[in-house]
Formats: sequence, C-alpha cells, structure tokens
Amino acid sequence: QVQLQESGPGLVKPSETLSLTCTVSAGSISSYYWSWIRQPPGKGLEWIGYMYHTGSSNYNPSLKSRVTISVDTSKNQFSLKLRSVTAADTAVYYCARDFSGLFDPWGQGTLVTVSS
Amino acid sequence: DIQMTQSPSTLSASVGDRVTITCRASQSISSWLAWYQQKPGKAPKLLIYKASILESGVPSRFSGSGSGTEFTLTISSLQPDDFATYYCQQYNSYSRTFGQGTKVEIK
Repeated sequence: QVQLQESGPGLVKPSETLSLTCTVSAGSISSYYWSWIRQPPGKGLEWIGYMYHTGSSNYNPSLKSRVTISVDTSKNQFSLKLRSVTAADTAVYYCARDFSGLFDPWGQGTLVTVSS
Repeated sequence: DIQMTQSPSTLSASVGDRVTITCRASQSISSWLAWYQQKPGKAPKLLIYKASILESGVPSRFSGSGSGTEFTLTISSLQPDDFATYYCQQYNSYSRTFGQGTKVEIK
C-alpha cells in the first residue's frame, strides 16, 4: 500500500524559502498526480498545487506566484518550494496522492513555523 | 475559482443522532465532490467521492447526496468515533478547493 512521508525544516525565517520533500514508498511516483495541501493551526485545509511526473502542474491561484512543485522520479520523491514566506504560511503541510482530484493516501503532515 | 461553503461550522449532537452537513459550490461541479473526515492531529481521511460513492471500508451510516451546486453528507446514527471535523472538496476543475470544515461536537 502506497505510503507518503513529508520531510524538511520545521522552522523557516520570514522572507526565506520553505522547502519540503515527500517520499513515496510501496508505489511508483510515475503514475498519478501528487499534491501538497496545508492547514494553518486551528484552521481549514488549503490545496497548494499538484504535479504529474511528466512535469505538468497546476497551482492554487492565491499561491501561484510563490510556489514550485517538482518531481524526482529517480528518488520517488516530489518537493514543494514556497518563496518569500511570512507568518501566515505557518501550517501543517501534507503531501498526498492526487487521484483525479481525490486525495488518498495522505502523509502524516509536518508542521512548519515561520518565525525569526 | 470555485468556492465551497459548508454549513454549519459547528454542530453539537448526541450519539445516535442523525446528522446532516451541507456543502454549496459557487458554480456547478456536477458530482465531482468528495467528503473527508479529520480527527485532531491526524491527516484527513477520504469518506465519499463523486458525491455519493462510499470509499471502501467506510461504515454504511455515512452517505452523500447532491449534484450541481448543493451537496449533503449524512450520518444516519452518530457513533462516538464520528466526532471529528468534516470537509467537502470539489475536483471539477483543474483546481481543487475545500470547504471551511464542519466540526461535529459532543452535545
């Protein structure tokens, strides 16, 4: 059964770039779409964007200018970069398989705090 | 962009109650709607997709209905394990959007 695990720094300084990686195990990344989703503490879910292994991607318009999602098929990983972060970007970040728009499964999530 | 609006934001109910959550889309999404359940500290879990199809392993007390712009999630007899936050999500367009969530609390 496919499993996903997020990794990356838990603390990022304001104005810097948030970088996270999602490792996919027990399944190939060269199928399906793969998404990032975030959830600020005590708030709801926000879809960030998705990427297909061919490089096709789509992002939330509200974040599009600051986001890049990339895929490394050799490592079975996909990554998120969010530039120029502020405290409003503090959230639990989830990676998930995006099966024609359905998110399943999800990683366990990783909290990223933006603070100096 | 398609906006999703859930109501209510919070719902207080007792074990055994019938519970209904509503989700409205800002434009027609046909039946491209999913429901997720999230418990504190955990990732969301897919319950229902294509508005009314139960994901494998989800108890039959959960059901979904609707099409176009109005959808409902119903729990026929609330169980202790069902106290959680529920989110709708549209996947009609290339973009994906979640509702703001409905927290089901113990009355």
